[in-house]
Amino acid sequence: NAGVMQNPRHLVRRRGQEARLRCSPMKGHSHVYWYRQLPEEGLKFMVYLQKENIIDESGMPKERFSAEFPKEGPSILRIQQVVRGDSAAYFCASFTQSGESTDTQYFGPGTRLTVL
Amino acid sequence: KQEVTQIPAALSVPEGENLVLNCSFTDSAIYNLQWFRQDPGKGLTSLLLIQSSQREQTSGRLNASLDKSSGRSTLYIAASQPGDSATYLCAVKGSSNTGKLIFGQGTTLQVKP
Repeated sequence: NAGVMQNPRHLVRRRGQEARLRCSPMKGHSHVYWYRQLPEEGLKFMVYLQKENIIDESGMPKERFSAEFPKEGPSILRIQQVVRGDSAAYFCASFTQSGESTDTQYFGPGTRLTVL
Repeated sequence: KQEVTQIPAALSVPEGENLVLNCSFTDSAIYNLQWFRQDPGKGLTSLLLIQSSQREQTSGRLNASLDKSSGRSTLYIAASQPGDSATYLCAVKGSSNTGKLIFGQGTTLQVKP
């Protein structure tokens, strides 16, 4: 069972461009969380999704950021018109409510976004 | 609003020392508490998870305790090794199993040979 996969691992964008970050959860996991780690700061929750539904987006900026987790395919975190302050590491975690280890969120390796 | 604090922010010790990392949280209504390790430029590795009904968990040289009533957890590392050098993150999950994790700022540990 492969772990949580994120791509790209590194992404460079110029100000004003769009960034798309992908997260493939562990097999059988239907819950996905996105977290952001700004330089010199701790990880902060952004959004929690289940298949085709956004459950909690209280940590996501209201402008320019959106997330989806379609029925088929990976979860996508989309940042429009990026600014330098968006430079950070973005981590995805997946979770299941069935089977063993149901209380643990499994983290991917992260996508490091650099905005020039 | 739940806040998680970790002390110290950084720690440097000689190899072989036993050490304690501290984590405190403001709201005792948690589902569980988890300790992670993060190596530079890498993702998070789960070390220990303590359910709200538990007092401690052990894995090898690591022991984590939880005192929910006082809002504290400690991670004890025995006989530290250079390979233990990393940032250690404490995270609490709110009152439901599907809740988000709220992280502390982390303690960056350096173990010198």
